[in-house]
Amino acid sequence: ILNVEQSPQSLHVQEGDSTNFTCSFPSSNFYALHWYRWETAKSPEALFVMTLNGDEKKKGRISATLNTKEGYSYLYIKGSQPEDSATYLCAFIGAGNNRKLIWGLGTSLAVNP
Amino acid sequence: NAGVTQTPKFRILKIGQSMTLQCAQDMNHNYMYWYRQDPGMGLKLIYYSVGAGITDKGEVPNGYNVSRSTTEDFPLRLELAAPSQTSVYFCASTTPGGKGQVIRAFFGQGTRLTVV
Repeated sequence: ILNVEQSPQSLHVQEGDSTNFTCSFPSSNFYALHWYRWETAKSPEALFVMTLNGDEKKKGRISATLNTKEGYSYLYIKGSQPEDSATYLCAFIGAGNNRKLIWGLGTSLAVNP
Repeated sequence: NAGVTQTPKFRILKIGQSMTLQCAQDMNHNYMYWYRQDPGMGLKLIYYSVGAGITDKGEVPNGYNVSRSTTEDFPLRLELAAPSQTSVYFCASTTPGGKGQVIRAFFGQGTRLTVV
């Protein structure tokens, strides 16, 4: 059974704080790791698609790293803003896995002004 | 491209009623998925399809049926609605990926279904 775990489950930070979350996934048969941002009442929006060990991606104040050998990815938010409040999901795709995205449960971030 | 179009956005059903959630994509994606999202439970895969005429069960298929007669459409059918099916439903499609290619997922706007 493939398992994708995210931690922490929820996080409350003050505006301006920097924060990070973890996504753990199987370290064998890796194909890709996705990060999504999911605001309430909207559909998930892709942040990063990561495919190579050591990948680092950045979009504004948000960045992500990938370690496929040990099976984890970190998402960092620098200087959190209230508009960053959302659930951040990661999804693992295994090689030869019928392209099914195996989802973590997400990290719910609340940024207080 | 319209992307993934999902209808309706909201629906209230009585116990035992039936309905079909529509999902269509115009990106010629072979892979399509139906998920449900319950509070604190993340996304659970109901059914998925790897191409026209091919469907397969996900983690939580009971109480649902799907069909995939065309590449574009992937409707989800609830035959006898139960309160346990109260949830937010998302349809998604993914690019094919393959050697050296990135898989990207595209989501519909979601359907909030309440069964009373």
